[in-house]
Amino acid sequence: SAVISQKPSRDICQRGTSLTIQCQVDSQVTMMFWYRQQPGQSLTLIATANQGSEATYESGFVIDKFPISRPNLTFSTLTVSNMSPEDSSIYLCSVTPRLAEETQYFGPGTRLLVL
Amino acid sequence: EDQVTQSPEALRLQEGESSSLNCSYTVSGLRGLFWYRQDPGKGPEFLFTLYSAGEEKEKERLKATLTKKESFLHITAPKPEDSATYLCAVQGADGQNFVFGPGTRLSVLP
Repeated sequence: SAVISQKPSRDICQRGTSLTIQCQVDSQVTMMFWYRQQPGQSLTLIATANQGSEATYESGFVIDKFPISRPNLTFSTLTVSNMSPEDSSIYLCSVTPRLAEETQYFGPGTRLLVL
Repeated sequence: EDQVTQSPEALRLQEGESSSLNCSYTVSGLRGLFWYRQDPGKGPEFLFTLYSAGEEKEKERLKATLTKKESFLHITAPKPEDSATYLCAVQGADGQNFVFGPGTRLSVLP
């Protein structure tokens, strides 16, 4: 598996502002993903963070709202832009360490509250 | 479209009372079925990956099994520390994306 950390662990933000969440892995990984988990619900994939190219977004998520960077094989950021209270969620980073293994391992999550 | 349902939505057990959680799925070619445990306020913790019907995996009091349409997570003689939400996810043959079920919220009372 891999050791994954996220910063910040939680934040309270004002409507209309933006927050950048960092995901750091202790080893190089092939795939990195960003999920959202709204209160009391399961996980929804936002996008796949591709190293060296633009992220691949799922239906309902757009780059202007959730810009993603992945400058190398151990780090990625997700920005939640122009936030509204509906963006209050837990945001999770996950990784697939190796091409031959499909299992995803998750970070501890970032708990976001938008007022 | 790949779909995952889980039942029951919530389950309360007495300590030592064994039971099973169900994960039913519809997927076009299964690459893998995954079980996770999630504690409140934390990220999902990986438990098992199952790849083909008939496969079984065990870890402590947990045993996961897989058929062509569903998976079961059997909990034998549970303890209060097994209380958590258990999530099931599938990965179809057409891509790398996981589809998660809604989860089963398990409470084990002492």
